[in-house]
Amino acid sequence: NAGVTQTPKFQVLKTGQSMTLQCAQDMNHEYMSWYRQDPGMGLRLIHYSVGAGITDQGEVPNGYNVSRSTTEDFPLRLLSAAPSQTSVYFCASSSGTGRSKAGQPQHFGDGTRLSIL
Amino acid sequence: AQKITQTQPGMFVQEKEAVTLDCTYDTSDQSYGLFWYKQPSSGEMIFLIYQGSYDEQNATEGRYSLNFQKARKSANLVISASQLGDSAMYFCAMREGAANAGKSTFGDGTTLTVKP
Repeated sequence: NAGVTQTPKFQVLKTGQSMTLQCAQDMNHEYMSWYRQDPGMGLRLIHYSVGAGITDQGEVPNGYNVSRSTTEDFPLRLLSAAPSQTSVYFCASSSGTGRSKAGQPQHFGDGTRLSIL
Repeated sequence: AQKITQTQPGMFVQEKEAVTLDCTYDTSDQSYGLFWYKQPSSGEMIFLIYQGSYDEQNATEGRYSLNFQKARKSANLVISASQLGDSAMYFCAMREGAANAGKSTFGDGTTLTVKP
C-alpha cells in the first residue's frame, strides 16, 4: 500500500543546475499537487493538476515546471536551481470522487529535502 | 489578506489534558472544506479531521474534534486527553469549492508540546 511516493528523499544541488523531483501515486487520484515548506512555515502551493494533461499554477510557480502525462505521475522540474528554492517539497494527491470533491483529504508523500548551494 | 490564520505559534499542554488550537479563515465561497493535518518531527503530513462548510454538526475523529463556528469563520481543533505522541506541528488548511479540489491553502502552523 504505497500511497504517494516521492524520490529522492534528499538532494543537494549547485546554483544553476536543473533536476526533476518525482512523484507517483497508486490510488488512482485525479488531483495532484506540489507544495514547498520553508522552515517554520506552512505549505505553499507551487503547481497542481486536476487530471492527466491538465495543470495550473499555484501561489509560487516561478522557477518550476510540471507536466501530467499519466494519472499516476506528477514530476516537478527545477529549471535553474537558486538558493531561494532550498526547501522541503511535498507532493500530494486527492480523490475527485465522493459526495464532496472539496472534502477529500490530501494524501502526502514523505517529502524531498532539497538544498541548493 | 491571509486566508488561513493560526495565531498560536506554540502551545504547551499537560499530558491527559485537553487543548484547543485556533484557526480562522477567510473566504467568500459558500462551499469550502477545512482540514487539520499533523506534522511530527519526522516530517510527514498526517490528515486528522475534515469539516465541510455545509456540515451541520462539528466533526469528530477519536480524540480530535473540530469546533466549527461558521459565522465567526473559525475552525478550532480540540485534542482531548493529550498524549506525549501528540507533540507535533499542526496545520489548518482550506479548500474552496469543488473547482479548486486540488488546491489547499495552509496556515503557518502551531507547534504543540505535551508535557509529562
